[in-house]
Amino acid sequence: DAGVTQSPTHLIKTRGQQVTLRCSPKSGHDTVSWYQQALGQGPQFIFQYYEEEERQRGNFPDRFSGHQFPNYSSELNVNALLLGDSALYLCASSRDRDTEAFFGQGTRLTVV
Amino acid sequence: DAKTTQPTSMDCAEGRAANLPCNHSTISGNEYVYWYRQIHSQGPQYIIHGLKNNETNEMASLIITEDRKSSTLILPHATLRDTAVYYCIVLPSGNTGKLIFGQGTTLQVKP
Repeated sequence: DAGVTQSPTHLIKTRGQQVTLRCSPKSGHDTVSWYQQALGQGPQFIFQYYEEEERQRGNFPDRFSGHQFPNYSSELNVNALLLGDSALYLCASSRDRDTEAFFGQGTRLTVV
Repeated sequence: DAKTTQPTSMDCAEGRAANLPCNHSTISGNEYVYWYRQIHSQGPQYIIHGLKNNETNEMASLIITEDRKSSTLILPHATLRDTAVYYCIVLPSGNTGKLIFGQGTTLQVKP
């Protein structure tokens, strides 16, 4: 079992550009959540997808959007990148309403 | 917003027990206490959770006070690989997995 895999591992983008991050959940998991972790801070919840729908959303602007595919994999899209979007983006998967979430290694996004 | 309070940092000698406290004085009757840790440059890792009884697994023990207003995570024999940020999180039963992380406790295990 490969666990939760995220791609790419590192990414550098220019302010104003758009970015897409990808996540493959752990085998048997149908729920995917995304988190943003700024340097020195705890992860902040962005949103969660279940059955290809956004089920919950944190306090993030509409520039942050996502998608879940029938195979449960997910994408996080960020438009009009700001310098402040530089962070580690983490994907977590779980079985619906299960108590334990499994995290990927994250994608380190740097906006210059 | 995080509903827990943890010390910013702690040290522990290798081989000794590490006791990490967490205050959650506003916890509700249906809320569980969860612990995750994050080793540098990795994603968070689930450790243990409990409601009101003490819990133990292969990684750690969780002691919850009778009034449920605080808890302690115990790593019985800390190793250098246990150096990490430890997060205490409260979640209601049936929660869909939205984890609210605070600042956590940075545990430094020293040789």
